[in-house]
Amino acid sequence: QVQLQESGPGLVKPSETLSLTCAVSGYSISSGYFWGWIRQPPGKGLEWIGNIFHTGSIYYNPSLKSRLTISVDTSNNHFSLILRSVTAADTAVYYCARAAAYVDSWGQGTLVIVSS
Amino acid sequence: EIVLTQSPGTLSLSPGERATLSCRASQSVKSTYLAWYQQKPGQAPRLLIYGASSRATGIPDRFSGSGSGTDFTLTISRLEPEDFAVYYCQQYGTSPTWTFGQGTKVEIK
Repeated sequence: QVQLQESGPGLVKPSETLSLTCAVSGYSISSGYFWGWIRQPPGKGLEWIGNIFHTGSIYYNPSLKSRLTISVDTSNNHFSLILRSVTAADTAVYYCARAAAYVDSWGQGTLVIVSS
Repeated sequence: EIVLTQSPGTLSLSPGERATLSCRASQSVKSTYLAWYQQKPGQAPRLLIYGASSRATGIPDRFSGSGSGTDFTLTISRLEPEDFAVYYCQQYGTSPTWTFGQGTKVEIK
Protein backbone atom coordinates (compact mmCIF):
# COMPACT_ATOMS: atom_id res chain seq x y z
CA GLN A 1 0.00 0.00 0.00
CA VAL A 2 1.40 3.37 -1.01
CA GLN A 3 2.30 5.83 1.75
CA LEU A 4 3.25 9.48 1.38
CA GLN A 5 5.00 11.65 3.96
CA GLU A 6 5.61 15.38 3.72
CA SER A 7 8.61 17.04 5.30
CA GLY A 8 9.93 20.58 5.48
CA PRO A 9 10.02 23.71 7.63
CA GLY A 10 6.86 24.65 9.45
CA LEU A 11 7.68 28.35 9.46
CA VAL A 12 8.78 30.50 6.54
CA LYS A 13 9.37 34.24 6.49
CA PRO A 14 7.47 36.47 4.08
CA SER A 15 9.21 36.92 0.71
CA GLU A 16 11.28 33.79 1.27
CA THR A 17 11.01 30.34 -0.31
CA LEU A 18 8.90 27.44 0.89
CA SER A 19 10.40 23.99 0.19
CA LEU A 20 8.68 20.69 0.89
CA THR A 21 9.51 17.10 0.04
CA CYS A 22 7.21 14.11 -0.19
CA ALA A 23 8.71 10.68 0.43
CA VAL A 24 6.82 7.85 -1.23
CA SER A 25 6.92 4.27 -0.02
CA GLY A 26 5.13 1.16 -1.19
CA TYR A 27 5.04 2.28 -4.83
CA SER A 28 7.63 3.43 -7.34
CA ILE A 29 7.00 6.96 -8.63
CA SER A 30 8.36 5.96 -12.03
CA SER A 31 5.70 3.26 -12.39
CA GLY A 32 2.83 5.63 -13.05
CA TYR A 33 0.34 8.19 -11.76
CA PHE A 34 0.52 11.92 -11.20
CA TRP A 35 2.32 13.04 -8.05
CA GLY A 36 1.37 16.39 -6.69
CA TRP A 37 0.54 18.93 -4.08
CA ILE A 38 -2.72 20.28 -2.66
CA ARG A 39 -3.04 22.88 0.06
CA GLN A 40 -5.69 23.99 2.51
CA PRO A 41 -5.56 27.34 4.31
CA PRO A 42 -6.77 27.17 7.90
CA GLY A 43 -10.56 26.80 7.99
CA LYS A 44 -10.85 26.88 4.20
CA GLY A 45 -11.19 24.51 1.26
CA LEU A 46 -8.77 22.55 -0.88
CA GLU A 47 -6.63 24.13 -3.59
CA TRP A 48 -4.75 22.13 -6.19
CA ILE A 49 -1.16 23.41 -6.52
CA GLY A 50 0.38 21.25 -9.22
CA ASN A 51 1.29 17.74 -10.34
CA ILE A 52 4.16 15.98 -12.01
CA PHE A 53 3.47 12.94 -14.15
CA HIS A 54 5.67 9.88 -13.80
CA THR A 55 7.13 10.70 -17.22
CA GLY A 56 8.26 14.10 -15.93
CA SER A 57 5.53 16.29 -17.45
CA ILE A 58 4.53 19.03 -15.04
CA TYR A 59 1.20 20.79 -14.57
CA TYR A 60 0.78 23.89 -12.41
CA ASN A 61 -2.18 25.81 -11.07
CA PRO A 62 -2.09 28.94 -13.27
CA SER A 63 -2.55 31.17 -10.23
CA LEU A 64 0.70 29.88 -8.70
CA LYS A 65 2.71 29.02 -11.79
CA SER A 66 5.05 32.03 -11.72
CA ARG A 67 6.27 31.16 -8.21
CA LEU A 68 6.20 27.39 -8.37
CA THR A 69 8.56 24.52 -9.16
CA ILE A 70 7.70 20.85 -8.74
CA SER A 71 10.35 18.23 -9.34
CA VAL A 72 10.79 14.50 -8.91
CA ASP A 73 13.71 12.34 -7.80
CA THR A 74 12.92 8.85 -8.99
CA SER A 75 16.15 7.37 -7.65
CA ASN A 76 15.10 8.26 -4.10
CA ASN A 77 11.38 7.92 -4.80
CA HIS A 78 10.39 11.37 -3.68
CA PHE A 79 9.12 14.60 -5.18
CA SER A 80 9.40 18.21 -4.10
CA LEU A 81 7.66 21.56 -4.07
CA ILE A 82 9.30 24.97 -4.17
CA LEU A 83 7.14 28.08 -3.77
CA ARG A 84 8.97 31.38 -4.01
CA SER A 85 8.16 34.84 -2.61
CA VAL A 86 5.64 33.58 -0.08
CA THR A 87 3.13 35.76 1.73
CA ALA A 88 0.72 35.18 4.59
CA ALA A 89 -1.79 33.94 2.00
CA ASP A 90 0.42 30.90 1.47
CA THR A 91 -0.12 29.76 5.06
CA ALA A 92 -1.80 26.38 4.78
CA VAL A 93 -1.65 22.66 5.38
CA TYR A 94 0.22 21.25 2.40
CA TYR A 95 -0.65 17.72 1.30
CA CYS A 96 1.27 15.58 -1.13
CA ALA A 97 -0.79 13.13 -3.10
CA ARG A 98 -0.94 10.41 -5.70
CA ALA A 99 -3.50 11.04 -8.39
CA ALA A 100 -5.02 9.84 -11.55
CA ALA A 101 -8.24 11.65 -12.44
CA TYR A 102 -8.82 11.63 -8.69
CA VAL A 103 -6.58 11.54 -5.65
CA ASP A 104 -6.42 8.05 -4.25
CA SER A 105 -3.66 8.53 -1.69
CA TRP A 106 -2.81 11.48 0.52
CA GLY A 107 -0.01 12.36 2.87
CA GLN A 108 -0.98 13.35 6.39
CA GLY A 109 -0.31 17.01 5.59
CA THR A 110 2.14 19.51 7.01
CA LEU A 111 1.24 22.96 8.30
CA VAL A 112 3.37 25.77 6.89
CA ILE A 113 3.01 29.19 8.49
CA VAL A 114 4.31 32.26 6.73
CA SER A 115 5.24 34.81 9.35
CA SER A 116 8.13 36.98 10.39
CA GLU B 1 -11.43 26.86 -16.23
CA ILE B 2 -14.28 24.84 -14.76
CA VAL B 3 -15.68 26.09 -11.44
CA LEU B 4 -17.42 23.66 -9.09
CA THR B 5 -20.11 25.07 -6.81
CA GLN B 6 -21.31 22.93 -3.92
CA SER B 7 -24.58 23.39 -2.09
CA PRO B 8 -25.65 23.79 0.54
CA GLY B 9 -22.70 25.23 2.41
CA THR B 10 -23.86 23.55 5.59
CA LEU B 11 -26.35 20.73 6.06
CA SER B 12 -27.78 20.22 9.56
CA LEU B 13 -29.20 16.73 9.98
CA SER B 14 -29.72 14.07 12.62
CA PRO B 15 -28.19 10.58 12.63
CA GLY B 16 -30.32 8.23 10.56
CA GLU B 17 -31.45 10.95 8.17
CA ARG B 18 -30.66 11.12 4.47
CA ALA B 19 -28.12 13.65 3.22
CA THR B 20 -28.14 14.99 -0.32
CA LEU B 21 -25.16 17.11 -1.41
CA SER B 22 -24.96 18.92 -4.72
CA CYS B 23 -21.99 19.78 -6.94
CA ARG B 24 -22.66 21.94 -9.96
CA ALA B 25 -20.04 22.59 -12.65
CA SER B 26 -19.77 25.74 -14.73
CA GLN B 27 -19.20 23.57 -17.82
CA SER B 28 -19.93 19.96 -18.63
CA VAL B 29 -17.69 17.45 -16.85
CA LYS B 30 -17.07 13.92 -18.01
CA SER B 31 -18.57 11.61 -15.39
CA THR B 32 -15.35 9.63 -15.42
CA TYR B 33 -13.60 12.68 -14.04
CA LEU B 34 -15.82 13.60 -11.06
CA ALA B 35 -14.91 12.51 -7.54
CA TRP B 36 -16.08 13.07 -3.97
CA TYR B 37 -14.01 13.21 -0.78
CA GLN B 38 -14.76 13.26 2.94
CA GLN B 39 -12.61 15.24 5.35
CA LYS B 40 -12.74 15.14 9.13
CA PRO B 41 -11.03 17.72 11.36
CA GLY B 42 -7.26 17.31 11.48
CA GLN B 43 -7.27 14.60 8.82
CA ALA B 44 -6.43 14.41 5.15
CA PRO B 45 -9.38 14.02 2.80
CA ARG B 46 -10.48 10.49 1.96
CA LEU B 47 -11.68 9.38 -1.45
CA LEU B 48 -15.32 8.27 -1.34
CA ILE B 49 -16.55 8.22 -4.94
CA TYR B 50 -14.77 8.32 -8.30
CA GLY B 51 -16.15 8.29 -11.81
CA ALA B 52 -19.20 10.07 -10.39
CA SER B 53 -20.75 6.85 -9.03
CA SER B 54 -18.11 4.24 -8.16
CA ARG B 55 -17.37 3.72 -4.48
CA ALA B 56 -13.72 3.66 -3.48
CA THR B 57 -12.33 0.64 -1.66
CA GLY B 58 -13.81 0.20 1.79
CA ILE B 59 -16.51 2.84 1.44
CA PRO B 60 -19.87 1.73 2.88
CA ASP B 61 -22.78 1.35 0.50
CA ARG B 62 -24.76 4.06 2.29
CA PHE B 63 -22.63 6.46 0.20
CA SER B 64 -23.69 6.81 -3.42
CA GLY B 65 -22.89 9.21 -6.22
CA SER B 66 -24.88 10.14 -9.27
CA GLY B 67 -25.20 12.74 -11.98
CA SER B 68 -23.79 13.77 -15.30
CA GLY B 69 -22.96 16.84 -17.33
CA THR B 70 -22.99 19.77 -14.93
CA ASP B 71 -24.98 18.36 -12.01
CA PHE B 72 -23.68 15.75 -9.61
CA THR B 73 -25.00 14.48 -6.28
CA LEU B 74 -23.53 12.67 -3.30
CA THR B 75 -26.14 10.88 -1.20
CA ILE B 76 -25.67 9.39 2.24
CA SER B 77 -28.70 7.18 2.73
CA ARG B 78 -28.68 7.06 6.53
CA LEU B 79 -26.23 9.21 8.42
CA GLU B 80 -24.00 7.48 10.92
CA PRO B 81 -22.24 9.49 13.67
CA GLU B 82 -18.92 9.13 11.84
CA ASP B 83 -20.36 10.70 8.66
CA PHE B 84 -20.50 14.21 10.08
CA ALA B 85 -17.68 15.89 8.20
CA VAL B 86 -16.91 18.16 5.26
CA TYR B 87 -17.41 16.81 1.74
CA TYR B 88 -15.69 18.05 -1.40
CA CYS B 89 -16.31 17.34 -5.05
CA GLN B 90 -13.41 17.44 -7.51
CA GLN B 91 -13.08 17.34 -11.27
CA TYR B 92 -10.20 16.48 -13.56
CA GLY B 93 -10.02 18.69 -16.61
CA THR B 94 -8.02 19.34 -19.72
CA SER B 95 -4.44 20.69 -19.52
CA PRO B 96 -4.65 18.62 -17.18
CA THR B 97 -5.96 20.37 -14.07
CA TRP B 98 -7.70 19.37 -10.88
CA THR B 99 -10.41 21.58 -9.36
CA PHE B 100 -12.22 21.27 -6.03
CA GLY B 101 -15.56 22.60 -4.92
CA GLN B 102 -15.65 24.78 -1.83
CA GLY B 103 -17.10 22.01 0.34
CA THR B 104 -20.31 21.14 2.16
CA LYS B 105 -20.25 20.67 5.92
CA VAL B 106 -22.62 18.02 7.26
CA GLU B 107 -23.22 18.83 10.91
CA ILE B 108 -25.30 17.28 13.65
CA LYS B 109 -28.63 18.98 14.15
